[in-house]
Amino acid sequence: SQQGEEDPQALSIQEGENATMNCSYKTSINNLQWYRQNSGRGLVHLILIRSNEREKHSGRLRVTLDTSKKSSSLLITASRAADTASYFCATVSPQGGSNYKLTFGKGTLLTVNP
Amino acid sequence: KAGVTQTPRYLIKTRGQQVTLSCSPISGHRSVSWYQQTPGQGLQFLFEYFSETQRNKGNFPGRFSGRQFSNSRSEMNVSTLELGDSALYLCASSSEGWTTKPEAFFGQGTRLTVV
Repeated sequence: SQQGEEDPQALSIQEGENATMNCSYKTSINNLQWYRQNSGRGLVHLILIRSNEREKHSGRLRVTLDTSKKSSSLLITASRAADTASYFCATVSPQGGSNYKLTFGKGTLLTVNP
Repeated sequence: KAGVTQTPRYLIKTRGQQVTLSCSPISGHRSVSWYQQTPGQGLQFLFEYFSETQRNKGNFPGRFSGRQFSNSRSEMNVSTLELGDSALYLCASSSEGWTTKPEAFFGQGTRLTVV
């Protein structure tokens, strides 16, 4: 079952614009990660934010986390055509004891038009 | 450092057959997780192995099974294939638990088509 739910499901923007994707989740988490997937290929890790952090930056990526609202957002600034891909949030949540599990949302399909 | 290797990349099987997929994690990684990706259901967690033991399991029928060897390589087996098993199967490796070094590294996947 999905832990994270991304919003929107699809997003189409022009090159140079900013893209914002949101993720909501249901249970407590240890950390939240964002991944990117080019069509039909493996996922690539982009950025991680831990539950005690509120904001992280990495290059053109900015991720925020609001644990009170159980939500996160990923901002890609100055988008490029090469950013076209599906973006997934993934949560690491406790399963009891020291056991944790990584689960993914359904993803946002981002299309950046040249 | 070699990445995660999944074999085969593509597979076509007939309903009722069984299939075994292989995943070689990054050297030194002890955790291997398997995911099924379909357009309708997205990325569904199948199971995770850590040091040869199944540590977590998703909500899939018993036809889906896996194992991990002492060198951390993992195999996933699906018996009595159904048309709905057609999917991209992704393997992810991680060095430790999901809280210390939680980034997952994915293979390119195995595209299974059941006809």
